Amino acid sequence: EAGVTQSPTHLIKTRGQQVTLRCSPISGHTSVYWYQQALGLGLQFLLWYDEGEERNRGNFPPRFSGRQFPNYSSELNVNALELEDSALYLCASSFGEQPQHFGDGTRLSIL
Amino acid sequence: QKEVEQDPGPLSVPEGAIVSLNCTYSNSAFQYFMWYRQYSRKGPELLMYTYSSGNKEDGRFTAQVDKSSKYISLFIRDSQPSDSATYLCAMIETGANNLFFGTGTRLTVIP
Repeated sequence: EAGVTQSPTHLIKTRGQQVTLRCSPISGHTSVYWYQQALGLGLQFLLWYDEGEERNRGNFPPRFSGRQFPNYSSELNVNALELEDSALYLCASSFGEQPQHFGDGTRLSIL
Repeated sequence: QKEVEQDPGPLSVPEGAIVSLNCTYSNSAFQYFMWYRQYSRKGPELLMYTYSSGNKEDGRFTAQVDKSSKYISLFIRDSQPSDSATYLCAMIETGANNLFFGTGTRLTVIP
C-alpha cells in the first residue's frame, strides 16, 4: 500500500514569493492534514481538510491556505513568504477516527 | 505553558538497554494518545496508538497512559541502534482531529 506522498521534496524561495505544496493521501483516506515543523518549535497544526471542505485551521495567518480535490489530494499555498516560514511541511492522512499517517514532507527554505 | 510537555533530551543509551520516554499534558479533553518515531529527513511514523488508561504492548514497545496523572510513557525493551531517532508523543481531543505534539525526544542507541 502506497503511503502519503508529498511533492516537491525541497524548495528554495525568496521573501515575498508564493509557494504551492502538494499531497496525495493513502488510498481510502478522506482527511488530509497539514503541519509545520520548524526548528525549535516542534510540529504545529496548520489545516485539516475532509471531503473537500476545510474543517479546522491552526493559529496561522490567512496567507496559509489550501484546498482538497475530489480525489482527496490536497494543496497547501503560502503567500508573501517570510523568513520564518522556513520549515518542513508535513502532510498526514486518515480515515474517520483512525490515526494519522504522515508523508516525508517538503522542506521549504526562504532566502 | 504548552499543552504537551516532553523532555527534548538528547538521550543516549547502550544497545540492549530499556528506554523510557515520557510526556505530560494539561488538557483533560485529550482522549487519544500516540507515539511517533521520526528518522532524520523523514516524516513521523506511527508506533503506538492508545485510547484508554493502561498499557498496550507491541513487540519491544509498550505504551502506558495514566489519565489521572495526565502522563504517558513509551518503553523500548532491548533497544537497538536502529531505534536511534526522535520520538514524538501526540494527543487528540475527542471530536477533534488535529494532533497536539510534544517537542520530541532525540534518542541515540550506542552499539
